[in-house]
Amino acid sequence: GAVVSQHPSWVICKSGTSVKIECRSLDFQATTMFWYRQFPKQSLMLMATSNEGSKATYEQGVEKDKFLINHASLTLSTLTVTSAHPEDSSFYICSAPLSGAYEQYFGPGTRLTVT
Amino acid sequence: SQQGEEDPQALSIQEGENATMNCSYKTSINNLQWYRQNSGRGLVHLILIRSNEREKHSGRLRVTLDTSKKSSSLLITASRAADTASYFCATEGAQKLVFGQGTRLTINP
Repeated sequence: GAVVSQHPSWVICKSGTSVKIECRSLDFQATTMFWYRQFPKQSLMLMATSNEGSKATYEQGVEKDKFLINHASLTLSTLTVTSAHPEDSSFYICSAPLSGAYEQYFGPGTRLTVT
Repeated sequence: SQQGEEDPQALSIQEGENATMNCSYKTSINNLQWYRQNSGRGLVHLILIRSNEREKHSGRLRVTLDTSKKSSSLLITASRAADTASYFCATEGAQKLVFGQGTRLTINP
């Protein structure tokens, strides 16, 4: 089956610093990847769509200058949380669909804690 | 924004019993998918049902879809302790998934 990895699996950073999270499709190419955030005991909220070779598209209410997305290759998308604040603490998950398929494959998630 | 509601929000049953979770959605769909999430982990795709299908089976899973009522149900038969997880329905449009609120299922040994 298709495998998506994320790195790091957890990170603690100080308020005001930036954190980069990587999402990789290990055994398939993904022209599109998706980034979600999930608060404890809540559902996933789509943040943005990462498009290889072009700008990401952000969902309403998501600050593009705060959550920088780069999709530099067909197997890697990165999410950088800039000037992180405690309210950015959350579980960030990426996903990618196989070409031509509707179902998506999810990474294991990254737990970000901003102190 | 969230597509719809899932019912119940939490469900606790004994091992061996069947578990039924319901999902409602608001807009027209191409397909509806169910995912499982173990605590603190990513999501795993379970099953997809297309808008022109009414029922689908996969192992111990049975999914129904009623597009007239904009609702779906997931039945897990003969539950096992390993089925303990959160279950989410998701509607798909232009490859984007919009998730329901989820049902936290606990299987008691």
